Amino acid sequence: ETGVTQTPRHLVMGMTNKKSLKCEQHLGHNAMYWYKQSAKKPLELMFVYNFKEQTENNSVPSRFSPECPNSSHLFLHLHTLQPEDSALYLCASSSKTGGNSPGETQYFGPGTRLLVL
Amino acid sequence: AQSVAQPEDQVNVAEGNPLTVKCTYSVSGNPYLFWYVQYPNRGLQFLLKYITGDNLVKGSYGFEAEFNKSQTSFHLKKPSALVSDSALYFCAVRGGGYQKVTFGTGTKLQVIP
Repeated sequence: ETGVTQTPRHLVMGMTNKKSLKCEQHLGHNAMYWYKQSAKKPLELMFVYNFKEQTENNSVPSRFSPECPNSSHLFLHLHTLQPEDSALYLCASSSKTGGNSPGETQYFGPGTRLLVL
Repeated sequence: AQSVAQPEDQVNVAEGNPLTVKCTYSVSGNPYLFWYVQYPNRGLQFLLKYITGDNLVKGSYGFEAEFNKSQTSFHLKKPSALVSDSALYFCAVRGGGYQKVTFGTGTKLQVIP
């Protein structure tokens, strides 16, 4: 185990549903990330939070809405998704982010496998 | 912009043989390079990284990687493959002063008994 947990592990939702993905890290880290993993494509960075503040939104559609209430928890709220949003959504954390520590390691959760019907 | 290329979608190797998973990169300034492994139904696990210093980096599970600045490569190697090494391997790069880590598309390693 990496110290990063994600729930649920699997999620099936219709295009009109609203659901949320949860991520929790037990590592005392200050930075948290959402990635989208699709087959045969590089990991796509979606959002970065540093000390609870969003520092990056990588041109993600507004149907994905992140929330970071504290440094240990990160949510991804989903609404009116499209079938092409089906993917594995990975949460990661690191001790800090930013240009002063480019060599820091990210620790990943197991992911949520999302299927949009 | 920075980028990572993993030219092989899949690598097959016999158990006990040496393995190499290739990675090349493009980045401005000094590169910070990473290898991660993903087992089925799991998230990515950190294997090793290069920041500075010795070009040969040793990591978890007997893996190592060699940084080659002139060839802009960071190939992952292991002297003797195990069936349990079968997984998806990701190379990643981050340039100094650049916040994002850029991942490659992944290489599936299949170790044949």
